Amino acid sequence: GAGVSQSPSNKVTEKGKDVELRCDPISGHTALYWYRQSLGQGLEFLIYFQGNSAPDKSGLPSDRFSAERTGGSVSTLTIQRTQQEDSAVYLCASSSSLRGVGLANYGYTFGSGTRLTVV
Amino acid sequence: RKEVEQDPGPFNVPEGATVAFNCTYSNSASQSFFWYRQDCRKEPKLLMSVYSSGNEDGRFTAQLNRASQYISLLIRDSKLSDSATYLCVVNMPQAGGYNKLIFGAGTRLAVHP
Repeated sequence: GAGVSQSPSNKVTEKGKDVELRCDPISGHTALYWYRQSLGQGLEFLIYFQGNSAPDKSGLPSDRFSAERTGGSVSTLTIQRTQQEDSAVYLCASSSSLRGVGLANYGYTFGSGTRLTVV
Repeated sequence: RKEVEQDPGPFNVPEGATVAFNCTYSNSASQSFFWYRQDCRKEPKLLMSVYSSGNEDGRFTAQLNRASQYISLLIRDSKLSDSATYLCVVNMPQAGGYNKLIFGAGTRLAVHP
């Protein structure tokens, strides 16, 4: 598509429920990133995909968080047994970089995010 | 020490003012640098890349000092529409041969009439 698309845009869930957040990157972008941003805070890196593999999962805060990417395109971030501290905006970004090359010039393009509220 | 540090502000300036934001980064192996702009409740958007020679885009000028590991953004003739949070972003090389963008916490700018 023309931009990075995320769904849903807003999600309210009860504590303890599982949620799935979806990211559809720009067509042809091989690199995909998930970040989260809590209210008034900076961006916190979660996970990076190059194609379908995830060479860097270091930012996932706990084993309740997982992500996958299929077909080198759409990615799903899953949060199991949600907690109130999971409330944040989850941002997906993609880049035209291949193995980081090209990122030097292009940076990332972000989706508009999913605002998750755990009540 | 944070990998990317910025003064959080807020910077409150009148229209027409010149304002400068600074940023320092900790990893001397960092390869490329950016300024992003984030409006309230919106996603970050790339404002400009930062090159060693310095670069200018209209009213915006970015500078990089690799020796001091310091990046700056200068905004001249501030407009009300410049009010936003400005994120300093550094591309950090990672083990395994890939790069990752590390974001500063942002500097908030408020331009008033």
